[in-house]
Amino acid sequence: RKEVEQDPGPFNVPEGATVAFNCTYSNSASQSFFWYRQDCRKEPKLLMSVYSSGNEDGRFTAQLNRASQYISLLIRDSKLSDSATYLCEAAGNKLTFGGGTRVLVKP
Amino acid sequence: GAVVSQHPSWVICKSGTSVKIECRSLDFQATTMFWYRQFPKQSLMLMATSNEGSKATYEQGVEKDKFLINHASLTLSTLTVTSAHPEDSSFYICSAKNKGISNQPQHFGDGTRLSIL
Repeated sequence: RKEVEQDPGPFNVPEGATVAFNCTYSNSASQSFFWYRQDCRKEPKLLMSVYSSGNEDGRFTAQLNRASQYISLLIRDSKLSDSATYLCEAAGNKLTFGGGTRVLVKP
Repeated sequence: GAVVSQHPSWVICKSGTSVKIECRSLDFQATTMFWYRQFPKQSLMLMATSNEGSKATYEQGVEKDKFLINHASLTLSTLTVTSAHPEDSSFYICSAKNKGISNQPQHFGDGTRLSIL
């Protein structure tokens, strides 16, 4: 079993809709969590950190569930430009990345 | 802040050539840098963790003699693909974490597209 797992998708999302997806991690010692966005043929870029109490950045909301060991990302009012692969990181004892969730926002 | 520069962006060379890729943290010190490889339509795969002043830690299945990593300073790590062959053609990406800040994200270089003919 991988240390960090994500549904690869793709999630096909109508423009303006809400989409949410999770990332599960197996290492309970993981201390910090992040969501990155990777566009096709580009490097990943930090989207947002994930804080214990949950946090929001515009249309994006990230949450952490330590008991069930997963983090989530919710995108509201999806834009065409949100189409990308979203990677989660559960850092701690070992650097661990999920394989990414592909999101396709369509008109 | 937290800029990572990767060079070169593109490399096209003949089979058997060795290729060196540089990864520099421009405005912070990085005790640890990471090297990834990504094939088309596949996920990012960690190849190795580069530690300043010590040997790199390679992931399972990654040949250390094939992919030579040197992390000679707190701002520079290099990856050398030795005797590259067409199957080594891929997108190579480095990242770094700021030595002085805990619980912080990775900062990625722009990546290097390697094409071996």
